[in-house]
Amino acid sequence: DNVLPQSPTTMAASPGEKVTITCHASSSGIYMNWHQQKSGTSPKLWIYDTSKLASGVPDRFSGSGSGTSYSLTINTMETEDAATYYCQQCCSTPYTFGAGTKLELK
Amino acid sequence: EVQLVETGGGLVQPGKSLKLTCATSGFTFSNAWMHWVRQSPEKQLEWVAQIKAKSNNYATYYAESVKGRFTISRDDSKSSVYLQMNSLKEEDTAIYYCTAVFAYWGQGTLVTVSS
Repeated sequence: DNVLPQSPTTMAASPGEKVTITCHASSSGIYMNWHQQKSGTSPKLWIYDTSKLASGVPDRFSGSGSGTSYSLTINTMETEDAATYYCQQCCSTPYTFGAGTKLELK
Repeated sequence: EVQLVETGGGLVQPGKSLKLTCATSGFTFSNAWMHWVRQSPEKQLEWVAQIKAKSNNYATYYAESVKGRFTISRDDSKSSVYLQMNSLKEEDTAIYYCTAVFAYWGQGTLVTVSS
């Protein structure tokens, strides 16, 4: 079972800056989930079915994608968005995760 | 409030067995497809196993890395899911999370395989 490539691996963004994280699926036509994880805590579902925001997620976040390329975008970075984000192929086995993108505050 | 609580982790020698339990509340467990996911010391998340609901005949699926060694099961009367881990290897060392349809996650339980 492989790990999905994500880019960048790490990045830093200033408050108000636009952020885009990319994930490459192993096959086309799938749905993608995104999970947010902060240090010492469990992952949280952030975006599901490629573009739907989980409950409580601010609308500055969005998800998109097609084919084998998927992305998570933060329209305007805020302090609380600093975390590691993992993509995950959903809906059929194996539910492969991405390698993770660590987003830091600049 | 949705809660998932994993127990049963610990230090175990290679080749030995361990059984994890995930007790849940706050959602309709009997309808939920349940998973175990682990996170290595390098922070990589890996899906481990899935068990579907009774309506799907409790079908089970496994990652290649654990197939034949791990067994997932559930008890709907106790709203609990289990992971029986046999023939443990050092590379099984990780935090093990249970999750309901990847929307609700437990706090995780640490499994360390070392001699």
